[in-house]
Amino acid sequence: GAGVSQSPSNKVTEKGKDVELRCDPISGHTALYWYRQRLGQGLEFLIYFQGNSAPDKSGLPSDRFSAERTGESVSTLTIQRTQQEDSAVYLCASREQGAGTEAFFGQGTRLTVV
Amino acid sequence: AQSVTQPDIHITVSEGASLELRCNYSYGATPYLFWYVQSPGQGLQLLLKYFSGDTLVQGIKGFEAEFKRSQSSFNLRKPSVHWSDAAEYFCAVVAFSGGYNKLIFGAGTRLAVHP
Repeated sequence: GAGVSQSPSNKVTEKGKDVELRCDPISGHTALYWYRQRLGQGLEFLIYFQGNSAPDKSGLPSDRFSAERTGESVSTLTIQRTQQEDSAVYLCASREQGAGTEAFFGQGTRLTVV
Repeated sequence: AQSVTQPDIHITVSEGASLELRCNYSYGATPYLFWYVQSPGQGLQLLLKYFSGDTLVQGIKGFEAEFKRSQSSFNLRKPSVHWSDAAEYFCAVVAFSGGYNKLIFGAGTRLAVHP
């Protein structure tokens, strides 16, 4: 596709349920990031995939959070047993290989846990 | 570890006034630095970037930024602010570790523009 696509755009879930968020990166982009943005806050790094290397999971806040990426394509972020503090916008970005390349962001998934 | 700090959480300027948003980074070598803008209801958009060459870089929408190694800074400037510049601005740095180059963002500066 032309840009980074995230789905769903909005998700309301009950506390304790599991949710799965999807990110379709730009074709050919080897790097993929997930960030969390709470209301009025900055971008909190969650996880980073680079090609076929093991992902950098250092930003995942708890073991309820996990993410997968198949090759250099789609990624899913899963949150198990959701809590109210998980409510946020989850942003995905992809980049070409190279430290100086631009990151392109999706529109995000707004997650609300009630 | 590499990090980036944006000291100002909120800034308010009058339309037509000049603007400077501060960004300080922590990194031993020449860093890869970026400024992104997030407008209300919009996704993040790259304004400009620096990793070598001329220390004054020009970006879109009339923005520029100057890399100052001695001050570990990469401040964003605009000579005359427009009402449409009201947005959240994020400075970012690439953090190198174990063969990875991870993009780390500052906490952001929210810009309000008064008519």
